[in-house]
Amino acid sequence: DAGVTQSPTHLIKTRGQQVTLRCSPKSGHDTVSWYQQALGQGPQFIFQYYEEEERQRGNFPDRFSGHQFPNYSSELNVNALLLGDSALYLCASSLAPGGLAVLSEQFFGPGTRLTVL
Amino acid sequence: DAKTTQPNSMESNEEEPVHLPCNHSTISGTDYIHWYRQLPSQGPEYVIHGLTSNVNNRMASLAIAEDRKSSTLILHRATLRDAAVYYCILRDPWDPQGGSEKLVFGKGTKLTVNP
Repeated sequence: DAGVTQSPTHLIKTRGQQVTLRCSPKSGHDTVSWYQQALGQGPQFIFQYYEEEERQRGNFPDRFSGHQFPNYSSELNVNALLLGDSALYLCASSLAPGGLAVLSEQFFGPGTRLTVL
Repeated sequence: DAKTTQPNSMESNEEEPVHLPCNHSTISGTDYIHWYRQLPSQGPEYVIHGLTSNVNNRMASLAIAEDRKSSTLILHRATLRDAAVYYCILRDPWDPQGGSEKLVFGKGTKLTVNP
């Protein structure tokens, strides 16, 4: 059973460019969340997608946008890249809680390391 | 967002127990206490969670104080593979603003395991 996969693993861009990162959730999961992790810091929540819609958003500018496809995979887009966008971008998938479960465990991918020069 | 406080780092010897503390003095009655860990060059992984009672699973144990203002993650016999950053996170499934959907990470505790 494949876990969460992300592509590419590494990426180098220059300021002002745009980037698209991709995520395939764990089999059976329907919810995808994206996090940004700067060096030496904990991951910061960017947004979450469920049923192809953004359900919750963290404190990130509109330059950060996303999409979820009918097969539950997701993309994170960042426009007008800044040096400060250099970070590890993590994707996490989960199954929306139902029945007696009130919270769902999130499964993380290995991340995409983005370097902005 | 409910806040947690953890030591920046801790050190242990292999095959000895490790107790990782977390303070959450402003915890609400509906907050669940979650622990995730992040091994080097990997994404975080779920370890354990609890509400009021102590919890055990194959990875660790979670001891929750009676007043719920602190908790301790217990690794019964640390191995080199347990060297990671451990994050203590509060989640409220009934957050009216949907806060339960996101994990709010602090800086965590970096655990070093010596052979």
